Amino acid sequence: GAVVSQHPSWVICKSGTSVKIECRSLDFQATTMFWYRQFPKQSLMLMATSNEGSKATYEQGVEKDKFLINHASLTLSTLTVTSAHPEDSSFYICSGTSGDEYEQYFGPGTRLTVT
Amino acid sequence: EDQVTQSPEALRLQEGESSSLNCSYTVSGLRGLFWYRQDPGKGPEFLFTLYSAGEEKEKERLKATLTKKESFLHITAPKPEDSATYLCAVQDTGRRALTFGSGTRLQVQP
Repeated sequence: GAVVSQHPSWVICKSGTSVKIECRSLDFQATTMFWYRQFPKQSLMLMATSNEGSKATYEQGVEKDKFLINHASLTLSTLTVTSAHPEDSSFYICSGTSGDEYEQYFGPGTRLTVT
Repeated sequence: EDQVTQSPEALRLQEGESSSLNCSYTVSGLRGLFWYRQDPGKGPEFLFTLYSAGEEKEKERLKATLTKKESFLHITAPKPEDSATYLCAVQDTGRRALTFGSGTRLQVQP
């Protein structure tokens, strides 16, 4: 299957600072990338969908000014959590899909802890 | 609005004890139903995609089936390494994003 990487795998930041998470498709061109958030013992909740070269589409209730998504190339998408607060602490997972393929391939996730 | 409900929430099996996990779904139009395995602290690992009622797919000890309202993941003679959370997700014909269920946490004891 296709491989997606995320960096960093975990990050601790102080309240009020910003943190950037990278998502890379290593062996395919991800025309569409998705960002999910997962709280402990809960399922994945979609935050936003991004197509290469276009603005991301955010799900209802997700603040687009707080969670900045950039999908500048077919292999890289970034999520920047701005002015992070403790309630933003979560497991952030990206996925990518290519062309008309149905399957989404997920990254290993990034554990964000805001102190 | 698409909905996915998985049951049971948690399942504990003895090694070799076969069982089934259930995924009930509601979508306006099903493009695909997906099964993923997720280990603690890791991203979901793709298992199967099912597209239409009556379809079945197998991989080692796992077999996924699909009806118009639900999907089952059958686990035959499980081993401790099958312990994980199994996630079901649907893709609506109207969009590419997936809607996930809350998962079934499976524990297989030796």
